[in-house]
Amino acid sequence: KQEVTQIPAALSVPEGENLVLNCSFTDSAIYNLQWFRQDPGKGLTSLLLIQSSQREQTSGRLNASLDKSSGRSTLYIAASQPGDSATYLCAVRPTGGSYIPTFGRGTSLIVHP
Amino acid sequence: KAGVTQTPRYLIKTRGQQVTLSCSPISGHRSVSWYQQTPGQGLQFLFEYFSETQRNKGNFPGRFSGRQFSNSRSEMNVSTLELGDSALYLCASSFGTGGLSNYGYTFGSGTRLTVV
Repeated sequence: KQEVTQIPAALSVPEGENLVLNCSFTDSAIYNLQWFRQDPGKGLTSLLLIQSSQREQTSGRLNASLDKSSGRSTLYIAASQPGDSATYLCAVRPTGGSYIPTFGRGTSLIVHP
Repeated sequence: KAGVTQTPRYLIKTRGQQVTLSCSPISGHRSVSWYQQTPGQGLQFLFEYFSETQRNKGNFPGRFSGRQFSNSRSEMNVSTLELGDSALYLCASSFGTGGLSNYGYTFGSGTRLTVV
């Protein structure tokens, strides 16, 4: 059974810092991995989707990498801003079987001015 | 293009009642998945529908059910509500299912259900 872990669970940083959020998974047989952002009480907003054949994806100040062999993905946020404050979740979709993603519990990020 | 639409946004129900939640996926998406999110359990998969057929089901009691219509809109129903059913219910649409899941999920804003 796939297990997805996100460490740290919470993070508080001053504005302007570069951040790395981690997502670890136990089964490397993945189809893709998706990073989401969730604001309090809201739905999930997709940030980046990495297919199993890819090593990284970039969107603006965000960069996500994938290392299947080590069971890790990182989300890099450059020059953090208070508007980046949210919970960040990763979802790992397996290859085969049901293809239903397993979600991590998320990293709650606060960027203070 | 329009995103995933979930209605209603908020609901307050009494124990023992039943509730129906609705989800309209992105135009052209045929797969709709439902999740329950609580602070204690995180995101838990309820079920997935594709082309009006339930493709997968999570580990929830039979009080939780769903269906999908020919226009891909989906509803989920919870009967005999319990206090523990209070949660944010999220719907996710995607273009395909199974081996065609390479487009990822797009989520709606969710329905906040409170059972009193």
